[in-house]
This record gives sequence, C-alpha cells and structure tokens, in this order.
Amino acid sequence: DQQVKQNSPSLSVQEGRISILNCDYTNSMFDYFLWYKKYPAEGPTFLISISSIKDKNEDGRFTVFLNKSAKHLSLHIVPSQPGDSAVYFCAASARERNNNNDMRFGAGTRLTVKP
Amino acid sequence: GAGVSQTPSNKVTEKGKYVELRCDPISGHTALYWYRQSLGQGPEFLIYFQGTGAADDSGLPNDRFFAVRPEGSVSTLKIQRTERGDSAVYLCASSWYSTGELFFGEGSRLTVL
Repeated sequence: DQQVKQNSPSLSVQEGRISILNCDYTNSMFDYFLWYKKYPAEGPTFLISISSIKDKNEDGRFTVFLNKSAKHLSLHIVPSQPGDSAVYFCAASARERNNNNDMRFGAGTRLTVKP
Repeated sequence: GAGVSQTPSNKVTEKGKYVELRCDPISGHTALYWYRQSLGQGPEFLIYFQGTGAADDSGLPNDRFFAVRPEGSVSTLKIQRTERGDSAVYLCASSWYSTGELFFGEGSRLTVL
C-alpha cells in the first residue's frame, strides 16, 4: 500500500535556484511528516520535520510546507547547492500513536544540482 | 561507536542459502528498526524492537525472515532459504525512544543469485 507517494523520481536544478520536492499521502491518521536525505552508500539522515498542527517549518535553506486538506507536503531548498545533490525521502507517521513503526516512506526523489 | 553500524556492507549468496545481517545501534538507544529498500523504492518497515522484545514484526514478509535482539543492543536479521526477490538493501535504524529521531546505518546490500 503506497500511503506516501513521491511522483517525481528525479529533479534537476541549477545552482542558486530553488528546488521543490513534492510528496502526497493518503492516510489521514498521519500527523507527523519528515524529510530524509540520502547520499550514495550512506543511510538516510534526518533533514527536517513538521507536525500537522503547523503548515510551515523553516530551517536555514530548507522549508517544509504542509497542506493537510490536500494531503500534500513539499520541501523547498533555497538557494540550491551542488552538495544538496542526493535522494530525498518523504516520510509520514501517526505520532499520536507514539511509535515510529507506523512510519511510511515515499520512493524518493533524486535531486541533482548543477554548478 | 558513534553511529549505527551494519555488517556486512555487501553480501552475495546463492538462492536457498541462509543469511545473517548484523546491526549495532547507537549506544543507549532502546528502539531498533529493520527496513528493506528495494531498487527504486523507499525504505519498507520490517520489524521494531523495544529493548529485547519485538514490539512489532508485522512488516516481515514471511516466515523465512526472523530477527533477534537478545541483549537489547545488537540485532541480527536472519533470512532462511533466500530467494532472488530478497535482494535489496537492508537498513537498520535506532532511536532513543519509540518516537525519537531515527538514525540509520549504511545498510547491508544483499544480492541473491
């Protein structure tokens, strides 16, 4: 069951421009959303998260937007840098149930930032 | 160690063989998770340990898969009678508590010929 979907397998952006990665979910019980970043031959690392009580969370160049009515979230990277080139996974969980084992991941979007 | 350690990093085996994959979590993390990542997919939940016990094994695909964590630290994922469809990267993650941030290892890439 694909409860978290990332419909764009890849995205290419010029250095300095904005990168926008999108994610859709189907389970209305999800109340906590995360983005993970993965470099080749490494495990995913946590990037940024947002709770369903918010619609925006910002951390430096990274901002996550949540649209609950549309069951959609997006990650904005501004300005994009070549070091941002990686696979980005969207994840969602029902945190009020107090466990991570409900966390579901999207298939990932490979971002390439060209110098 | 400083991070989650997984061994082996690569394992090539023949169909029908038995495989063990090891995960050494961050010291003090009580929660440990195994995920499987197939080509072109995101991590898929397999099993979750809280301490020594498997709190949720609902993601294990069938009874050929089994995992243990006898002392509440290192965990071993065991796959019997491997099949070609088991080929994937097996990721281990740990966290301080069941809702804490997940820290992933580099994964063990399993190839079944």
